[in-house]
Formats: sequence, structure tokens, C-alpha cells
Amino acid sequence: QVQLQESGPRLVKPSETLSLICTVSGGSITDYYWSWIRQPPGKGLEWIGYIYYSGSTNYNPSLKSRVTISVDTSKNQFSLKLSSVTAADTAVYYCARGKLPAVILGWGQGTLVTVSS
Amino acid sequence: NFMLTQPHSVSESPGKTVTISCTGSSGSIASNFVQWYQQRPGSAPTTVIYEDDQRPSGVPDRFSGSIDSSSNSASLTISGLKTEDEADYYCQSYDNNNQGVFGGGTKLTVL
Repeated sequence: QVQLQESGPRLVKPSETLSLICTVSGGSITDYYWSWIRQPPGKGLEWIGYIYYSGSTNYNPSLKSRVTISVDTSKNQFSLKLSSVTAADTAVYYCARGKLPAVILGWGQGTLVTVSS
Repeated sequence: NFMLTQPHSVSESPGKTVTISCTGSSGSIASNFVQWYQQRPGSAPTTVIYEDDQRPSGVPDRFSGSIDSSSNSASLTISGLKTEDEADYYCQSYDNNNQGVFGGGTKLTVL
């Protein structure tokens, strides 16, 4: 069973860069597409983007100028960087996997990241 | 921009059947796969339907998905409702640029 675990700072200051890592266990990072999705408190889900192990990416146009998703096949990890954050970026961030782009089969447990000074 | 519209809430009694709709704003919803995710309070989402009508292992066959091209909508049907089915349900698909799009979510109350 493939499991995903998000890690990274839970508190980020405004204007700084949010950085999260998703560690994949129980499967190879070369087998799936890997996504980041977020959910502001009390609100719905928002697609951030995805990456394939080859490095090809696809980002939400509304976040594209601030987002970088990368993959480290040697560590079976992929990561999210979101720059110039504001309070509006406060959310639970989920990493997820799928056999096809934008088709999610499994989710991480999520991590709440708060943007505040 | 491609959007998916869901009812804000639905409610039904235990043992009954409920259907949650998800309507596409443009194009044909049948052109790209639709997924359904269940999110219980305080928990991460889980996938209950993928690729329109496929159930991941472990999801009971009380959950089914379908596409209706005539109404440009997808549906999640849950039969034999249980109190444990009470959750938020999100439909999701993608546009022609493979950008993921979520519906706004439907709160299912089993009372």
C-alpha cells in the first residue's frame, strides 16, 4: 500500500516561501503522477499542480507564477514551493498520487500551514 | 474556465439511496474522467470513485458513479445509506490542458 506523508514548517511569515516535502513509501515514485492540493479552513479543495517522475509539471494558472513542484527520485520524495505567501495561502496542504494526470487515487493525511507574522 | 457545480447539501435517511450531481459548465463532461472524493470531518479526502465509475479496492459497492451526457453531468449514487457515509463529497475532473478542477463540495447528512 502506497503511503504519503507531508512534512515541513507549519508557520510561514508573509512574503516568504512555503516549502513542503511529500515522502512516498510502499511504492516507487516512478509509478505515478504526484499532485499537491490545498484546502483553506472551512472551504473546498483547490488544485495546485502535479509532476511526473520525468520532471514534467502542470500548474494551476492562478498560482503558476508562485509555484514550483519538483521530484527527487533518489529519495522517493516530491516537493512544493509557494513563494510570496499571504494569509490567503493558509490552508491544509495535501500531497496525492494518481495513475493519470489529475486523477487522484490516494492522499496524504495533510498538513496545516499558517501564514502569519 | 471549466467549472463543476454541485448542490451545497443533500440529506437522506439510513438505508435509503442518495444521488449527488456534478454539472460541467462547458464542453462535454464525458470527454474527461470524473472522480469523487469523500471527506469526513477532520480527515483527509479519500477516493471513492475514479475514472467515472471505478471503485478503488476497499470501497463498498454501495458507491457507484455515472455520466449523463444529455445533462452534461456526473453522479455519485450511494445506496443502503449508513451514518458513516455522512461527509463532504467532492467531484473532480480536468480541462483540456489537464488542469484539475474541483466542484464546490456537497455536504451529505444521513438522518
